[in-house]
Amino acid sequence: DIQMTQTPSSMPASLGERVTISCRASQGISNYLNWYQQKPDGTIKPLIYYTSNLQSGVPSRFSGSGSGTDYSLTISSLEPEDFAMYYCQQYDSSPNTFGAGTKLELK
Amino acid sequence: QVQLKESGPGLVQPSETLSLTCTVSGFSLTSYSVSWVRQPSGKGPEWMGRMWYDGDTAYNSALKSRLSISRDTSKNQVFLKMNSLQTDDTGTYYCTRDIYYYDGYYHYVMDAWGQGASVTVSS
Repeated sequence: DIQMTQTPSSMPASLGERVTISCRASQGISNYLNWYQQKPDGTIKPLIYYTSNLQSGVPSRFSGSGSGTDYSLTISSLEPEDFAMYYCQQYDSSPNTFGAGTKLELK
Repeated sequence: QVQLKESGPGLVQPSETLSLTCTVSGFSLTSYSVSWVRQPSGKGPEWMGRMWYDGDTAYNSALKSRLSISRDTSKNQVFLKMNSLQTDDTGTYYCTRDIYYYDGYYHYVMDAWGQGASVTVSS
């Protein structure tokens, strides 16, 4: 199985700050990489698919980039509702696998 | 409005079988695939398996020997059964709707998630 490693595991940040979360795959995944957000109540929603495509309804302050084994999620200016867990997921090969998550915390 | 809702027992004895139901609304099980995903507390999600729109199934090889997924399209329900439960099977179990975008390649997203069902394996 492809292992997905996210860094950092937690990130303190301030409102309005620009933040970047990283995700590294154990082998190349040809940009088949999604990002999800999980709120403290457990609710999960997709943010980005295929590395850089915004899911419908997701604010434009979210963006994704990367290639090969290294990918990132950037939030350009943090809003209060962005403090949550973020997970990357590869779908290049089965089983699709997730990272362990990055917790975005209010500084 | 697309909705998924998991239901089942919150507590399961070790070595016994977990049975969960995912009831969906706002879409047809014959048009969309549904996956089961679990998440141990404090860890990342793990894809368990999928009921394809055509009735076929796919399983995570790590769980395949213990796992069975089925459905009742007349009731808009997808079922999960997993046997021989152990304490490390404790966690939150989600069902998701899977969608595929095509631009020459297929792109896969779990675009809707249920609220999750908490399962504890303990005697």
